[in-house]
Amino acid sequence: DIQMTQSPSSVSASVGDRVTITCQASQAISNYLNWYQQKQGEAPKLLIYGASDLDTGVPSRFSGSGSGTDFTFTISSLQAADVATYYCQQYHDVSLTFGGGTKVEI
Amino acid sequence: QVQVVQSGGGVVQPGGSLRLSCATSGFTFSDYGMNWVRQTPGEGLQWVAFIQYDGNEKYYAESVKGRFTVSRDDSKKTVSLQMDSLRPEDTAIYYCAKDRARLFGSIIDSWGQGTLVTVSS
Repeated sequence: DIQMTQSPSSVSASVGDRVTITCQASQAISNYLNWYQQKQGEAPKLLIYGASDLDTGVPSRFSGSGSGTDFTFTISSLQAADVATYYCQQYHDVSLTFGGGTKVEI
Repeated sequence: QVQVVQSGGGVVQPGGSLRLSCATSGFTFSDYGMNWVRQTPGEGLQWVAFIQYDGNEKYYAESVKGRFTVSRDDSKKTVSLQMDSLRPEDTAIYYCAKDRARLFGSIIDSWGQGTLVTVSS
């Protein structure tokens, strides 16, 4: 299976700060990379697909970039509503795999 | 809008069986593949299984291959996960989730509410 390594595992920032999360794949996955947001007690929600495409209705403060093995997820101006755990997920392989998650706190 | 509503789950002894189901609405069910994903506190999110839009092919994580079976009923717009020979390490919240693709798992764009499965004696 393709291993997905996320960092950091947690980050604490202030409202309005820029927050950046990285995800590294154990082998090249082109742009077959998604980002999800999971709030406490809820199911994950798709934010970004294809490494950089924002899903419908997702605020523009969220963005993603990267290709190959290295990817970045950014919240340009952190809001209180963004407190959650964020996961990357690859779909280059039939066996989908997720990163370990990054907990974002205020 | 897309809805995925799960049922089933509960407590089962090691070696036992359990069946999870999910009912869907708000999209053309027969056009999309469906996934099962589980989540444990220690191991995060783990993909479990995918069934193609027409049910012809099914894919499983190595950890559940030969023990779990995914199926779908297009007439009822439902997906099921039959879990046999359950182990304590199968304890998790299980999510039924719609994929954006037909043939292989890719972009999971709608998730059920999750159901807890506990394997314990």
